[in-house]
Amino acid sequence: QLQLQESGPGLVKPSETLSLTCTVSGDSISSSSYYWGWIRQPPGKGLEWIGSVYFSGSTYYNPSLRSRVTVSVDTSKNQFSLKLRSVTAADTAVYYCTRHIYVKMVWGQGNLVTVSS
Amino acid sequence: QSALTQPASVSGSPGQSITISCTGTSSDVGGYNYVSWYRQHPGKAPKLMIYDVSNRPSGVSNRFSGSKSGNTASLTISGLQAEDEADYYCSSYTSGSTLVLFGGGTKLTVL
Repeated sequence: QLQLQESGPGLVKPSETLSLTCTVSGDSISSSSYYWGWIRQPPGKGLEWIGSVYFSGSTYYNPSLRSRVTVSVDTSKNQFSLKLRSVTAADTAVYYCTRHIYVKMVWGQGNLVTVSS
Repeated sequence: QSALTQPASVSGSPGQSITISCTGTSSDVGGYNYVSWYRQHPGKAPKLMIYDVSNRPSGVSNRFSGSKSGNTASLTISGLQAEDEADYYCSSYTSGSTLVLFGGGTKLTVL
C-alpha cells in the first residue's frame, strides 16, 4: 500500500530556504509512470499546487512560485524533495506531498511549516 | 492561471442532495476529462472522492457522483449525512507547464 511521509523543519526564518523531503513506501519513484508533487495550504485557506516532478525527471512548477522552487528526486532513497527559497510569512502553510497521475492524487498527512524569526 | 471557481459555501439538510460546481476554461476543465474532487475534514489531509470527472475510487460511497458540461464540472452528493460536512475542492489538469489547478474550495454545511 502506498504511503507518503513528509519530513523537515517546522520553523523556518524569513529569507531562508524551506526544505522538505517526502519518503515513499509501497512504490518505486523511478519505475512508475507517476508525477510526484507538492501542494500547500495556508492556515484557513485553500489548496495551492507548488510543483511536480515526473518519474522521468521532468519538472513542472506553479508560475507564481517558479522563480523560488525546486522539486527533485533521489531515486536511491526513494524520496523526493522541495526547496522554496527566500521565504516570507506568506509561505506559512501545511505542505503535502502527493503521488498523482493527472489530478488523481494520493496524499501524505502533511507537515506544518511556519515562517517566523 | 487563475484558480478554478467554486461557490464559497453550500448547505443542505440530511437526506437531501446538493451540487457543487467548478468552473474553468477550455484550457483546463473543458479541455480534458481530468477533473478530481477532494473532501477535507478539519485538520486532515484531502481525500479523493471523484477522479477523471465521474469515477469513484474503491471505498467511496455511491452517494458521490461527478459530471461535466463544457467548462464546468459538478459534484453531487445525494442522501446528505452529517459526515459529509467538510470542505470540498475540485482540481483539473491544465495545458502547458502549469499542470494542476485547484478551485478555491466549497464549505458544505449539513443543517
